[in-house]
Amino acid sequence: KAGVTQTPRYLIKTRGQQVTLSCSPISGHRSVSWYQQTPGQGLQFLFEYFSETQRNKGNFPGRFSGRQFSNSRSEMNVSTLELGDSALYLCASSLNGRASTDTQYFGPGTRLTVL
Amino acid sequence: AQSVTQPDIHITVSEGASLELRCNYSYGATPYLFWYVQSPGQGLQLLLKYFSGDTLVQGIKGFEAEFKRSQSSFNLRKPSVHWSDAAEYFCAVGSPSGNTPLVFGKGTRLSVIA
Repeated sequence: KAGVTQTPRYLIKTRGQQVTLSCSPISGHRSVSWYQQTPGQGLQFLFEYFSETQRNKGNFPGRFSGRQFSNSRSEMNVSTLELGDSALYLCASSLNGRASTDTQYFGPGTRLTVL
Repeated sequence: AQSVTQPDIHITVSEGASLELRCNYSYGATPYLFWYVQSPGQGLQLLLKYFSGDTLVQGIKGFEAEFKRSQSSFNLRKPSVHWSDAAEYFCAVGSPSGNTPLVFGKGTRLSVIA
């Protein structure tokens, strides 16, 4: 069974631009979560989706948004990019449960660099 | 809200030596507890998790962790470290209700020397 895939793997943008990151969960998994990983802040939770509904949202500004499609694929969007948005963005999927209790399977991440 | 502390930012051990990575959590009741590992350039992989039952949990790659309620700890151990264990290790705590997100510690980077 294929793992979680994220596209693109690397991205370079300039301040003020917007970016869309994509995540395809493991086949059959209905829950998708997103995390931002930086050296200073570590892993911080962004969103959790289940069956196209956002179940939880982390403490990030409104420039960060996400959605989940009927096939469980998910996208996250960051508008008006800032230098501090440079990070590794990780997507994780789980079968049915909640991200706080279920085993999550992580993708390799998208490395976003904002210049 | 729950929180996790991993006191050691970086640990270096010799190959073949034993390993213990510390994790302390803050949560009102018994939480779900996880250890994940991240190799360079990779996503995270679950090593083991605990919610109830036997307080000594066995995981993959020869790792185990022990839940100690009195100390609010969930330390990860391995009796004999291999060079391939060099990675970053994250402890995480989750609420059983699932109403709040999983919270990760800042991680401990493990280096293995010959």
